Amino acid sequence: ETGVTQTPRHLVMGMTNKKSLKCEQHLGHNAMYWYKQSAKKPLELMFVYSLEERVENNSVPSRFSPECPNSSHLFLHLHTLQPEDSALYLCASSQDGSGPSGANVLTFGAGSRLTVL
Amino acid sequence: AQSVTQPDIHITVSEGASLELRCNYSYGATPYLFWYVQSPGQGLQLLLKYFSGDTLVQGIKGFEAEFKRSQSSFNLRKPTVHWSDAAEYFCAVETGGFKTIFGAGTRLFVKA
Repeated sequence: ETGVTQTPRHLVMGMTNKKSLKCEQHLGHNAMYWYKQSAKKPLELMFVYSLEERVENNSVPSRFSPECPNSSHLFLHLHTLQPEDSALYLCASSQDGSGPSGANVLTFGAGSRLTVL
Repeated sequence: AQSVTQPDIHITVSEGASLELRCNYSYGATPYLFWYVQSPGQGLQLLLKYFSGDTLVQGIKGFEAEFKRSQSSFNLRKPTVHWSDAAEYFCAVETGGFKTIFGAGTRLFVKA
């Protein structure tokens, strides 16, 4: 496996279910991200982990709970979601400061399409 | 406020024609600029990036983009469009740390 792998690719859950999205990167990067992509809206940054420490949390509801057990794996735990949480959830990774001036170039996974009934 | 604007929600071009996708950004400092492409059912793939230096940057798949500081623009171009270029294109600016702001995207349709 190469790049960034997300599982499952599709998930349908009820509002009372608990599920998790998984992301794994095989690039040796040290930062990992969760983005939410909804129809007709720009990508929304949800969480960022750098060296397994959370560095960004953009006012995301507590029904979304991230976990980063090591630099290669990132989870998004889902609990008591709402129908408006239906979206494509994208995981990305970067090597912190990978650009010549310290910019982060993101490598994305294919996403997990979540439908909340 | 920092923002990225892609004024065209969708664009249709004929195969073999040229393409220009517009992007304007609002950011106080020197920006790190990106174009990503997303095919249906896929994640985003980096097409090209601008950090500094030559304002005309080359990317993959024959794409190029030009940074114009005076216009706060970073338009994407391709001289000859192929049917396989049909996808959604996102302009983005990194604003520091781990924050990258994305535009709402431009969907490209290619007609035969």
